[in-house]
Amino acid sequence: AQSVSQHNHHVILSEAASLELGCNYSYGGTVNLFWYVQYPGQHLQLLLKYFSGDPLVKGIKGFEAEFIKSKFSFNLRKPSVQWSDTAEYFCAVKTYSASKIIFGSGTRLSIRP
Amino acid sequence: DAGVTQSPTHLIKTRGQQVTLRCSPISGHKSVSWYQQVLGQGPQFIFQYYEKEERGRGNFPDRFSARQFPNYSSELNVNALLLGDSALYLCASSLLSGQLNTEAFFGQGTRLTVV
Repeated sequence: AQSVSQHNHHVILSEAASLELGCNYSYGGTVNLFWYVQYPGQHLQLLLKYFSGDPLVKGIKGFEAEFIKSKFSFNLRKPSVQWSDTAEYFCAVKTYSASKIIFGSGTRLSIRP
Repeated sequence: DAGVTQSPTHLIKTRGQQVTLRCSPISGHKSVSWYQQVLGQGPQFIFQYYEKEERGRGNFPDRFSARQFPNYSSELNVNALLLGDSALYLCASSLLSGQLNTEAFFGQGTRLTVV
């Protein structure tokens, strides 16, 4: 069965630190990949998505992610985090012909001001 | 443009009761999916409907059911509620179903508490 693994359950950083959140998925075929963010008390929002083409994807709020097919990975990065980035981050995958999006268990990011 | 709207936003029910959650997709979107997000976990797929037909079902008991109406809005019903059904229920809408390269847009969710 397809699955998504997020390696970090809780990450604590200081403002201006660099961020990298790991994500691996298990599926050998064509995939769409997503990172969603859930700010406290708010709905799930799309940060960025990979459908095809350039494996380095840029999203909103300075986030980017790199799709490495050989490693089945889609890690999220941001060069310099801000206090407002405090949120829960979810990696997700959608496979060909599947009706569902499969989410990882999430990474809680806490930023110290 | 209105996004995905869900009602109610919060709900408290007693064990054994039944609950109905509602979702209105983005205008023009014909596909609605339901997800359950238990505290501390990622959303889990429950159902997808497209053009009023069920197109996918997750690993949930038969107590969970859903339907989609001609205007593409949807209802999720849960019977015989258990404490473990307490969760945030998310609705997502998309243009198409069963295809790649289609983005899903999520509503704010309904927070269900079973006591």
